[in-house]
Amino acid sequence: AQSVTQLDSQVPVFEEAPVELRCNYSSSVSVYLFWYVQYPNQGLQLLLKYLSGSTLVESINGFEAEFNKSQTSFHLRKPSVHISDTAEYFCAVSGFGNEKLTFGTGTRLTIIP
Amino acid sequence: GAGVSQSPRYKVTKRGQDVTLRCDPISSHATLYWYQQALGQGPEFLTYFNYEAQPDKSGLPSDRFSAERPEGSISTLTIQRTEQRDSAMYRCASSSGTGGQETQYFGPGTRLLVL
Repeated sequence: AQSVTQLDSQVPVFEEAPVELRCNYSSSVSVYLFWYVQYPNQGLQLLLKYLSGSTLVESINGFEAEFNKSQTSFHLRKPSVHISDTAEYFCAVSGFGNEKLTFGTGTRLTIIP
Repeated sequence: GAGVSQSPRYKVTKRGQDVTLRCDPISSHATLYWYQQALGQGPEFLTYFNYEAQPDKSGLPSDRFSAERPEGSISTLTIQRTEQRDSAMYRCASSSGTGGQETQYFGPGTRLLVL
């Protein structure tokens, strides 16, 4: 069984400030980890993912996430947010060879101008 | 097609009626997934197909829910005798392979409201 916890349902951040969206997971097997984003009036799309290798993964729009096995975390960070980052962010986990993707409840990121 | 499409985008129905939702995946994708997302929650896995095979139905909440993908491309999700608790966003996704590491590409979803 696997589960994902996103403790922060809403995070307001001033424009150009840094942000961290927290994600913790539990699983009885080795995992793949994902962050999906849903912009207003759009569908879910992949932001970044960790499969293996370097524990730090980056997206094309400046987000990064670090896989921490000992803390079972995969927090998402950005050093300076922009208005266009306003969206809902979902952390998700799947197990090796398991098609089932388990999502967290999401964090709504609101950027304050 | 260029992306995953779903129809209808919105569906309002009365309790007790049957509804069928449709998903058209990316044309080259072998794997197709269905999720249910209640308001304020993350998507929850319902079932998936590898071509026309349906290896995992574990997420279907009751026998009122069924899914098909008879020719390994378009899929339908049918809810019989709808109940108010079935009101949710139903999301379809597709991926090029299997194994858990593949990126899933999501459609826009079908928002179902059961009165």
